[in-house]
Amino acid sequence: AQTVTQSQPEMSVQEAETVTLSCTYDTSESNYYLFWYKQPPSRQMILVIRQEAYKQQNATENRFSVNFQKAAKSFSLKISDSQLGDTAMYFCAFMTGETSGSRLTFGEGTQLTVNP
Amino acid sequence: EPEVTQTPSHQVTQMGQEVILRCVPISNHLYFYWYRQILGQKVEFLVSFYNNEISEKSEIFDDQFSVERPDGSNFTLKIRSTKLEDSAMYFCASEPRQRGSTDTQYFGPGTRLTVL
Repeated sequence: AQTVTQSQPEMSVQEAETVTLSCTYDTSESNYYLFWYKQPPSRQMILVIRQEAYKQQNATENRFSVNFQKAAKSFSLKISDSQLGDTAMYFCAFMTGETSGSRLTFGEGTQLTVNP
Repeated sequence: EPEVTQTPSHQVTQMGQEVILRCVPISNHLYFYWYRQILGQKVEFLVSFYNNEISEKSEIFDDQFSVERPDGSNFTLKIRSTKLEDSAMYFCASEPRQRGSTDTQYFGPGTRLTVL
């Protein structure tokens, strides 16, 4: 079974600064996908970024980028130029690459607060 | 941009009552999911659904739960006899994945279920 661990329950950052959220996972599979989802106070789950394990290049979406270290099973999220709207709970999630319907396994979440 | 919708946004029910949570996935998506999130906890997988049958279910998804796609658009989760511990946010997700590949799950806004 896969596990996802987020060791930082809470983090804070000043507006316009950079923050990195940590995530580690455990799996015996070689083909899988990793995601970061954002959950603002509205509790909507919003996809932030996705990484395919077979890709060596780190995914980037505007101010969001990941540092994917496959050997270390680490998948951290970097948020540059933090904005007040980035305040949310951030969940790291894992999905196997099997062709049948694949569940997402989530970490415990990191509550990020961006301070003005 | 197409999105997953869920109704109602908030449902209050008495213990032992049946509830039906409704979801309209994004059209042309093929895989559908239900997840739940007890307040303050991580998001947990319940069930996945493809081609009008369950693909995978978790240990949480016992005989009290059922899913159905009664027409071409709706995807429902039924809880037959609710318990206090069923109080949670329930998320529906859909995925456009074609067979032989994998893709990203897009989440609805959730239904908050309160069991009294």
